[in-house]
Amino acid sequence: EPEVTQTPSHQVTQMGQEVILRCVPISNHLYFYWYRQILGQKVEFLVSFYNNEISEKSEIFDDQFSVERPDGSNFTLKIRSTKLEDSAMYFCASSRGWETQYFGPGTRLLVL
Amino acid sequence: TQLLEQSPQFLSIQEGENLTVYCNSSSVFSSLQWYRQEPGEGPVLLVTVVTGGEVKKLKRLTFQFGDARKDSSLHITAAQPGDTGLYLCAGMRRSNDYKLSFGAGTTVTVRA
Repeated sequence: EPEVTQTPSHQVTQMGQEVILRCVPISNHLYFYWYRQILGQKVEFLVSFYNNEISEKSEIFDDQFSVERPDGSNFTLKIRSTKLEDSAMYFCASSRGWETQYFGPGTRLLVL
Repeated sequence: TQLLEQSPQFLSIQEGENLTVYCNSSSVFSSLQWYRQEPGEGPVLLVTVVTGGEVKKLKRLTFQFGDARKDSSLHITAAQPGDTGLYLCAGMRRSNDYKLSFGAGTTVTVRA
């Protein structure tokens, strides 16, 4: 069964450094998303992406964040200058239409 | 403000017993999804419900979407230790609003 994959599974970085989290969505899906989950808290929406542009973003998704679909298969989340509070699990998700989103296994980001 | 309230927060039962988890809101949702999440992993989709009053069954799991599309329930019959996990509900407010709002989850423990 097709699934969303994410790399790396874990990332440790120093505060102020840039990180890029990578995702390969399910191949025939058209909508792509990033969510994050701070330890012990709810899963929170960051951004949705369709037709090569952001369709919606949350207030968390400030100028430090960007997303890109550099080719036909990858979908990336870049954090330009990481802060301690960016430490979280980051989940990529994809959907064919509006109803059902499928999530990847996540990248655990630790900012020191 | 909690958009989706899940109850109970924790549930511990003996193998073979039944359990019900609730997901409530004052808002109407165009669709609602139930996920199960293991520690350190991504949410795994169980079901999507879109029609008010809809009932879906997945083996021993029964999902119901309220008539007014403001609430949902997950019922597990004859629970087994393998049902242990964190159950999340997530809703989409409008069909053209692709972000999911998650509940805080219900941690279910089934004792052998």
